[in-house]
Amino acid sequence: DAGVIQSPRHEVTEMGQEVTLRCKPISGHDYLFWYRQTMMRGLELLIYFNNNVPIDDSGMPEDRFSAKMPNASFSTLKIQPSEPRDSAVYFCASSRVVETQYFGPGTRLLVL
Amino acid sequence: KNEVEQSPQNLTAQEGEFITINCSYSVGISALHWLQQHPGGGIVSLFMLSSGKKKHGRLIATINIQEKHSSLHITASHPRDSAVYICAVPYSGGGADGLTFGKGTHLIIQP
Repeated sequence: DAGVIQSPRHEVTEMGQEVTLRCKPISGHDYLFWYRQTMMRGLELLIYFNNNVPIDDSGMPEDRFSAKMPNASFSTLKIQPSEPRDSAVYFCASSRVVETQYFGPGTRLLVL
Repeated sequence: KNEVEQSPQNLTAQEGEFITINCSYSVGISALHWLQQHPGGGIVSLFMLSSGKKKHGRLIATINIQEKHSSLHITASHPRDSAVYICAVPYSGGGADGLTFGKGTHLIIQP
């Protein structure tokens, strides 16, 4: 298996632009997680899905952030409009229930 | 929400030394995760454990559920072990749950 796939790997955008991050989980995994990592706050959970249904989005910072999982093999995290404080590395991870989480390589986002 | 504390934050040691990283958490959990993040940024899961001890090569992880404490040990440390080690537990303690993370331990092993 190719592991968790994220795209793009790097994104540079200007404040106010829409940003879409993409994730393909490992086939057969029921859970998909979105995390954000910054120097100040470390790793934080944003939202997670079980069988394509959002279970907990309490970590989503504000209404500018939205996430979808239209099917078992694809998820998006969208920021609209983006702000400089959104600059971070965004990780997607997937797992089967109560098992090890497998992390993608991350998307490094810079908002100017 | 579970709170996670790791210590030390930074650790520099000589090759061959025995390394211990500690983690404590606030809410009872189903399992605890130890992760490794290399300078390139990728995150790899080392262990997921719910009781006792697990060993993989030179890495050993232990957990004491009653005391809400876990340790990660590295025996015969090597420069390639240099990385950030992160402890993580379920956000609300439950089984299938997002993770909340410690701030990580930056480990440098000098030759």
